[in-house]
Amino acid sequence: QKEVEQDPGPLSVPEGAIVSLNCTYSNSAFQYFMWYRQYSRKGPELLMYTYSSGNKEDGRFTAQVDKSSKYISLFIRDSQPSDSATYLCALISSGSARQLTFGSGTQLTVLP
Amino acid sequence: NAGVTQTPKFRILKIGQSMTLQCTQDMNHNYMYWYRQDPGMGLKLIYYSVGAGITDKGEVPNGYNVSRSTTEDFPLRLELAAPSQTSVYFCASRHGRVGGNTIYFGEGSWLTVV
Repeated sequence: QKEVEQDPGPLSVPEGAIVSLNCTYSNSAFQYFMWYRQYSRKGPELLMYTYSSGNKEDGRFTAQVDKSSKYISLFIRDSQPSDSATYLCALISSGSARQLTFGSGTQLTVLP
Repeated sequence: NAGVTQTPKFRILKIGQSMTLQCTQDMNHNYMYWYRQDPGMGLKLIYYSVGAGITDKGEVPNGYNVSRSTTEDFPLRLELAAPSQTSVYFCASRHGRVGGNTIYFGEGSWLTVV
């Protein structure tokens, strides 16, 4: 079993739709949770970062963490064609080097 | 503000050749990482460093070597390139202090081994 599971998609939605992206994890040592967005032929860029259970909102984006279920989500409201990218969840454990463990990424296309 | 800079961006290697991917950061970050990304596989950690002179293996270190002689630079060496090393390579860095969990990535290096 992978430490972090993420549905690879691809996911295609019409402009304006609400998008839900999800990851599950198996190791309770993960304490920090991030979402990265990666455009084609670019490096990942940090979108959202949280370390506690609950919701964190930033504009059209909401990150949700449920540590009891080991489940994290990213919601995108009013999705735009510019949101078309691959979204990667990334988790950090409380280990010494705080390595990131990535999900495999979900490829999202928002159709105009 | 350059951030994390990787060179080269694209390279084609023949089987058995060697090369070095360069990575430098100007943010005075302690932690640096090399990841490889294969289609549909997410990012896998090759090597990481928690400071100058200190390196350690990640998940997929075989066929690679690193060094960290300065805080700024973290080159990745490929010895005896193999087709399995065809991938996109990302260098990343992080400050390392409490609250400094944001990892910054370079633009990537596309490597093809033929």
